[in-house]
Amino acid sequence: EVRLVETGGGLVQPGGSLRLSCAASGFIVSNNLMNWVRQAPGRGLEWVSVIYGDGRISYVDSVKGRFTISRDNSKNTLYLQMDSLRADDTAVYYCAGDSGSSGWGNFDHWGQGTLVSVSS
Amino acid sequence: DIVMTQSPDSLAVSLGERATINCKSSQSILNTSNNKNYLAWYQQKPGQPPKLLISWASTRESGVLDRFSGSGSGTDFTLTISSLQADDVAVYYCQQYYTTPPWTFGQGTKVEIK
Repeated sequence: EVRLVETGGGLVQPGGSLRLSCAASGFIVSNNLMNWVRQAPGRGLEWVSVIYGDGRISYVDSVKGRFTISRDNSKNTLYLQMDSLRADDTAVYYCAGDSGSSGWGNFDHWGQGTLVSVSS
Repeated sequence: DIVMTQSPDSLAVSLGERATINCKSSQSILNTSNNKNYLAWYQQKPGQPPKLLISWASTRESGVLDRFSGSGSGTDFTLTISSLQADDVAVYYCQQYYTTPPWTFGQGTKVEIK
């Protein structure tokens, strides 16, 4: 059974930083595409970032230069370092795994999410 | 970036009746070399993460009930729930994965019981 567990969310002031973690079990992060998808309160889904198996990385324009995705293969864990946080980064952040079983770029495994609130 | 637009934003359907959700992409997401549409549908129930229902526009994921079906090609797609059940109350999202990132979602359609 695949399990993705996010931690690290919380309340942070504008301009501050947070690091999110996503611990995976039953799913090897280095063999698959690992993503962060966020959902602002009462809003829809927004893809944020991906790290491919070969290490390539991509971000949505609104977080480029502020967020950094990474992984620790030995811990089978995905990370999102979020710097220079803004109020519009407030959202539930989901870790989403893509096994490629239905093509690359859709998300067949999801964590429960962790809430990031940016407010003074 | 490809923009995905869903309609309607919400709909209320009687139990046992058909629910139809539309999704339109700002450009074709059909790969003519393999004849596949790079379109996924997700279901998100309150307080839960999304769940992948359908990929390739019409292929149900393992375990998804056959009252859910996807259709369409090119730029216009439809998710149909053939006989709405109480457990189907949720927000449904379409998503394109045709391009390199950013992968984009529709704004969501909320399905309720009438």
